[in-house]
Amino acid sequence: SQTIHQWPATLVQPVGSPLSLECTVEGTSNPNLYWYRQAAGRGLQLLFYSIGIDQISSEVPQNLSASRPQDRQFILSSKKLLLSDSGFYLCAWSDPPGPKTGNTIYFGEGSWLTVV
Amino acid sequence: AQSVTQLDSQVPVFEEAPVELRCNYSSSVSVYLFWYVQYPNQGLQLLLKYLSGSTLVKGINGFEAEFNKSQTSFHLRKPSVHISDTAEYFCAVSDNQAGTALIFGKGTTLSVSS
Repeated sequence: SQTIHQWPATLVQPVGSPLSLECTVEGTSNPNLYWYRQAAGRGLQLLFYSIGIDQISSEVPQNLSASRPQDRQFILSSKKLLLSDSGFYLCAWSDPPGPKTGNTIYFGEGSWLTVV
Repeated sequence: AQSVTQLDSQVPVFEEAPVELRCNYSSSVSVYLFWYVQYPNQGLQLLLKYLSGSTLVKGINGFEAEFNKSQTSFHLRKPSVHISDTAEYFCAVSDNQAGTALIFGKGTTLSVSS
């Protein structure tokens, strides 16, 4: 069965420091991969999605970036964190959309980021 | 582009009462619809989904939802809730095109008390 791992689970970073959140998926190949951010009272915001290596779409312009160095690995980065980057970050995967899967996505456990 | 509106940000109910969490969507193409649940400090878990076929969809934990195309709604229901159903619930929509992602509503907090 497929599993998704995301780490670290919690981190506290000072303003201006770099960020790296990592996510890996097991048990599937060529998944679509996603990064969402959840801020209090604001639902889930799609940050990046990728349909393949070197195929990454950014949904929201900001100081975050994403990379997909391997088929099942997705990394969220920042060179300099802002206070507004604080939130709950969720990695997710899906099979390509289709009549059987319908683009169902499956989430990791999330990473709490507090920028101080 | 699709969008999702969850009409209630908070829904307080008593244990064993029925509940309905409302969701409306907008889209110019055929859609897939989903409900996810999030317990505190956890990721989201899929409750149920509508892809095609029967408009009444049954999910886990006794939840069900009905797809109404004319009203562009996908309301979530449970006939009798438990304390353990206290969580945040998200409605989401996706079209059937490759390379698209789910768009989520802002969530509804269901609080079940005794």
